Amino acid sequence: AQSVTQLGSHVSVSEGALVLLRCNYSSSVPPYLFWYVQYPNQGLQLLLKYTTGATLVKGINGFEAEFKKSETSFHLTKPSAHMSDAAEYFCAVIANTGNQFYFGTGTSLTVIP
Amino acid sequence: DTAVSQTPKYLVTQMGNDKSIKCEQNLGHDTMYWYKQDSKKFLKIMFSYNNKELIINETVPNRFSPKSPDKAHLNLHINSLELGDSAVYFCASSHYADTQYFGPGTRLTVL
Repeated sequence: AQSVTQLGSHVSVSEGALVLLRCNYSSSVPPYLFWYVQYPNQGLQLLLKYTTGATLVKGINGFEAEFKKSETSFHLTKPSAHMSDAAEYFCAVIANTGNQFYFGTGTSLTVIP
Repeated sequence: DTAVSQTPKYLVTQMGNDKSIKCEQNLGHDTMYWYKQDSKKFLKIMFSYNNKELIINETVPNRFSPKSPDKAHLNLHINSLELGDSAVYFCASSHYADTQYFGPGTRLTVL
């Protein structure tokens, strides 16, 4: 069975500061891991994903995430926050068999000018 | 062209009414989904269809019924609407277990 835990439902950072959004997962089979972003009044869009291969994955808008199997984590980072990064962020895990998937409860990112 | 589209974008209706939300994807995907997002942004999977066959049916009231006329369409029909059905409903599609592409959402308000 899979599950996803996002620590911190609300995260605030100053503009220019490091962004760190945490995601831990549990999976009985090798997972596919995703980060999605949702801007106000919009649908979710993909930021980045890990399926196989390199464990450090880079996404859009300067975000990246590292798959750490030993820690069962897939934390999302960005070196320098921008005002436009304010949004809701969702971590998701999908079993590579494709028939089980879970979204985390989301983390709301606020960027303080 | 819009990849995943939903209509209507807003839906305001009275309790007890029946309503439908339509979803279409032009990505050639084989799997489509319906999600409900509540006021706290929690995203809950409701249904998933693969090649027109229901593969996920989470515990939702049987007042909710999905209909997939073909691989590109997945509609959601809701009978006897209740106040608690007020939410944003998202349609999504994917190719098997890969990235899900979401529609813009339908904000349902039940009065």
